Amino acid sequence: AQTVTQSQPEMSVQEAETVTLSCTYDTSENNYYLFWYKQPPSRQMILVIRQEAYKQQNATENRFSVNFQKAAKSFSLKISDSQLGDTAMYFCAFMKSGTYKYIFGTGTRLKVLA
Amino acid sequence: NAGVMQNPRHLVRRRGQEARLRCSPMKGHSHVYWYRQLPEEGLKFMVYLQKENIIDESGMPKERFSAEFPKEGPSILRIQQVVRGDSAAYFCASSPDAGDEQFFGPGTRLTVL
Repeated sequence: AQTVTQSQPEMSVQEAETVTLSCTYDTSENNYYLFWYKQPPSRQMILVIRQEAYKQQNATENRFSVNFQKAAKSFSLKISDSQLGDTAMYFCAFMKSGTYKYIFGTGTRLKVLA
Repeated sequence: NAGVMQNPRHLVRRRGQEARLRCSPMKGHSHVYWYRQLPEEGLKFMVYLQKENIIDESGMPKERFSAEFPKEGPSILRIQQVVRGDSAAYFCASSPDAGDEQFFGPGTRLTVL
């Protein structure tokens, strides 16, 4: 069975600084997707970034980028130029290709400080 | 183009009552998924439905919980005889096809007194 581990329950970062959130996963599958979701206080789940396992190039979306290390089963999220609006819970998630079930980690609560 | 709609956003029930949670998928989406988020945890898959069919209910408790997605109208997650442990946020997601990106609704926060 697949598992997703987020070892940092809480983190904080100064506004405009860079922060990296960690995620590791365990799977025997070769084809899968990895995701980072943001959950602000409104509780809405917002997709931040998505990575296909077969792609070696790390995904990037504006200030958000990932460091995907397939052999190490690591998928960290880097937020550059942090903004107050980035304050939220961040969830790492795994989905096996051809399926529909997300496997979520327990989340990292990020606080951006003014 | 409205996103996934869930109502109510907040629901309070006393132990033993029934809770009905509704989800209207995005336009053009015929696949609906329900997830539960317990306090301080990630979302956990409960059930996957297509119109009039339950495809996978492996994550749903065998008793008291049921889900449907009728031909017309929203998907309903029904919890009978609620207990305090049912207190959680329940999220619905939809996709145009199985395996496509899922779009989440805002969730329903259920509190059982």
